[in-house]
Amino acid sequence: NAGVTQTPKFQVLKTGQSMTLQCAQDMNHEYMSWYRQDPGMGLRLIHYSVGAGITDQGEVPNGYNVSRSTTEDFPLRLLSAAPSQTSVYFCASSYTGQGYNEQFFGPGTRLTVL
Amino acid sequence: KNQVEQSPQSLIILEGKNCTLQCNYTVSPFSNLRWYKQDTGRGPVSLTIMTFSENTKSNGRYTATLDADTKQSSLHITASQLSDSASYICVVISGSNDYKLSFGAGTTVTVRA
Repeated sequence: NAGVTQTPKFQVLKTGQSMTLQCAQDMNHEYMSWYRQDPGMGLRLIHYSVGAGITDQGEVPNGYNVSRSTTEDFPLRLLSAAPSQTSVYFCASSYTGQGYNEQFFGPGTRLTVL
Repeated sequence: KNQVEQSPQSLIILEGKNCTLQCNYTVSPFSNLRWYKQDTGRGPVSLTIMTFSENTKSNGRYTATLDADTKQSSLHITASQLSDSASYICVVISGSNDYKLSFGAGTTVTVRA
């Protein structure tokens, strides 16, 4: 199993550009989520999904969109990039959204917005 | 204010020595607590998970403790190795139906030869 994969690993955008961060998992997990990690702060939840066709907002959803058309894929879209979105983005998945299920994280995407 | 506070922010230890990392939380209702290890440029990987009734959990040279009464946890690293150099993140899971993960900012451990 590849686990959770993310592409690209690095990305530089100009303010106002849009892009999609890709995330895929091959563990047949129902629950998938996106986090951002900023220096000196804990990971913060952007959006999550409890299954195909179902998504919901997390703690910091503004400026981001998600969709979940399949169990495997959970892309994160930046609509109009801003410097405040410079961060490292992690996708995670777990069997379900229940608290006792371990979350598996992808390797991350480092995004810089100029 | 973050509901999960970790200390110290960073520390440097010599190879072979022990160290202890602290995690204090105010999150409730408590479900379980996890420690993750995050190598530079990688995603976090789970080390231990503890429920309310567990006060110690080991994973090789890593031993986590939990005092749910005082809302404190620690992660002890025994006989440190160079490969232990990483960020260690405390995560508290709260809720009973709608679970929420609260992440600490992490402690960066550097092990020197």
